[in-house]
Amino acid sequence: GAGVSQSPSNKVTEKGKDVELRCDPISGHTALYWYRQSLGQGLEFLIYFQGNSAPDKSGLPSDRFSAERTGGSVSTLTIQRTQQEDSAVYLCASSLASGETSEQYFGPGTRLTVT
Amino acid sequence: AQSVTQLGSHVSVSEGALVLLRCNYSSSVPPYLFWYVQYPNQGLQLLLKYTSAATLVKGINGFEAEFKKSETSFHLTKPSAHMSDAAEYFCAVRPPGNTPLVFGKGTRLSVIA
Repeated sequence: GAGVSQSPSNKVTEKGKDVELRCDPISGHTALYWYRQSLGQGLEFLIYFQGNSAPDKSGLPSDRFSAERTGGSVSTLTIQRTQQEDSAVYLCASSLASGETSEQYFGPGTRLTVT
Repeated sequence: AQSVTQLGSHVSVSEGALVLLRCNYSSSVPPYLFWYVQYPNQGLQLLLKYTSAATLVKGINGFEAEFKKSETSFHLTKPSAHMSDAAEYFCAVRPPGNTPLVFGKGTRLSVIA
């Protein structure tokens, strides 16, 4: 079946502009995660959605970052007033449940470049 | 707080040689541990996971890892490297409870013909 998809695959934006990144999780997966992958920094957790519960936003680096998940499926990560340090690959993952051993399936990522 | 340390940002091995990628974790309680692989321009794919059953875990593509509590380690090994193993490898820990994964910074594996 279809995996996690993300769009766009690449995004170049000017500093100060807003961007929206989209994630389509695997159908039926109740948990959805956003991570940021910066060069030499590994993967950094941003935000986590589980079903209809309030999201865990503890990883968002600033109030310029926000995310929503509509209808328990598609998620959008929004970055307002982008800065050059926001340049990174943004990865989305979904899992069937939120248990500790549930496998997270990752999308191919969106490469964001802020000029 | 949980953390993961991957020793060596870049490892280079000859084709057919042993692959050893090191991962140490810090945790006050036994965590769940994962190894992911990322091929160029692709997302992460799960190689294997430790869930407190067997300490030696076998994964896909001939990889395995051994959980050693006394050393707080979860090193990834493969007896014989193949050119197709060239990729970025990430070790991750997930503490008990409803928490996100905590990743190491990754190790890039190069395989030389």
